Amino acid sequence: ETGVTQTPRHLVMGMTNKKSLKCEQHLGHNAMYWYKQSAKKPLELMFVYNFKEQTENNSVPSRFSPECPNSSHLFLHLHTLQPEDSALYLCASSQGDSRAVTEAFFGQGTRLTVV
Amino acid sequence: QKEVEQNSGPLSVPEGAIASLNCTYSDRGSQSFFWYRQYSGKSPELIMSIYSNGDKEDGRFTAQLNKASQYVSLLIRDSQPSDSATYLCAVNTNAGKSTFGDGTTLTVKP
Repeated sequence: ETGVTQTPRHLVMGMTNKKSLKCEQHLGHNAMYWYKQSAKKPLELMFVYNFKEQTENNSVPSRFSPECPNSSHLFLHLHTLQPEDSALYLCASSQGDSRAVTEAFFGQGTRLTVV
Repeated sequence: QKEVEQNSGPLSVPEGAIASLNCTYSDRGSQSFFWYRQYSGKSPELIMSIYSNGDKEDGRFTAQLNKASQYVSLLIRDSQPSDSATYLCAVNTNAGKSTFGDGTTLTVKP
């Protein structure tokens, strides 16, 4: 296992479903991130965890619920999503603290389609 | 004002030319600066990092940083069609997060 691994790679879900995205990093980093990237739009930071503590929540709707049980794993729980939530969801990790953060390493992403 | 701004694209250059990508940032306390490349449908990958004023060269890529002007750029020499991608500027602030620009899409024409 190397780098940052995301599962599943593709997910199709109905608006009433509940699903979870998983991210695992094998780099020993202490910070993990969820980003959303819609078609032809820039990266949107959703959540930041540093040493398992959530340090940022960029006004994300409550239908997205993050969970970080340890510094190596990050989940994004999804429920009652809308079609406009269809996007590429990217997980990333980096090393550092509030004083300095190194480069982010990204997983391959989960392509989510809400029908 | 956006925290990180990149020159609006798309940018098109002929093969063999120099491609110049620009980025400005608003937080004077920013310490680390990165350039990522993202191919269509793929995740971003780091290509350059720079931490101090001046130029940093890595193969065909040169990153330039001017903290006084709050400006960072990426030059790609001898551009190849395989360089066609979206280039993302990222700035790490003292708040401990990476802020990304909107990206500039580069097309290198054979």
